[in-house]
Amino acid sequence: EPEVTQTPSHQVTQMGQEVILRCVPISNHLYFYWYRQILGQKVEFLVSFYNNEISEKSEIFDDQFSVERPDGSNFTLKIRSTKLEDSAMYFCASRPIWGQGELFFGEGSRLTVL
Amino acid sequence: GDSVTQMEGPVTLSEEAFLTINCTYTATGYPSLFWYVQYPGEGLQLLLKATKADDKGSNKGFEATYRKETTSFHLEKGSVQVSDSAVYFCALSDNFGNEKLTFGTGTRLTIIP
Repeated sequence: EPEVTQTPSHQVTQMGQEVILRCVPISNHLYFYWYRQILGQKVEFLVSFYNNEISEKSEIFDDQFSVERPDGSNFTLKIRSTKLEDSAMYFCASRPIWGQGELFFGEGSRLTVL
Repeated sequence: GDSVTQMEGPVTLSEEAFLTINCTYTATGYPSLFWYVQYPGEGLQLLLKATKADDKGSNKGFEATYRKETTSFHLEKGSVQVSDSAVYFCALSDNFGNEKLTFGTGTRLTIIP
């Protein structure tokens, strides 16, 4: 069964460093998302991406964040200069053009900023 | 804005016990409602959904009914199994094309034999 894959599963970085989280969505899906969950808190929407551009972003998704689909298969989230409060589990998701509301999630990438 | 409030966890039950995890929501318009589940070491996966008032979603013995009058979507199962141990997330979708999901905090469920 097709699945969304994310790498790395866990990354530890120093504050101020750049981090890139990678996702391979399901191949025929057209909508892509990043969510994050800070330990003990809600799963929060960061950004959605469709037709090679951001379709919506949350207040959390400030200038430190960017997304890219560099090669037609990968979907990346870049954090330019990490802060302690960026420590969280980051989930990538995708969905086809049909299938109301059902997002297909990856296993998540845990980011720890020291 | 839209929000989802769900029962604080963790919840620990014995096998074959009855399960209820409460979920209420606040939304403009007519959202679709979902329960997602995350088993250990896996991503979130859709458990069930309901797209309009009075709809009942069901899957794997779990059920939830979309109650517009009480703005609720409580998850129930009559007899839980050890394999149901997971984190359960209630969520809504705004149905405005982008279909962004708004999640609750998640409820960790542990079933003991």
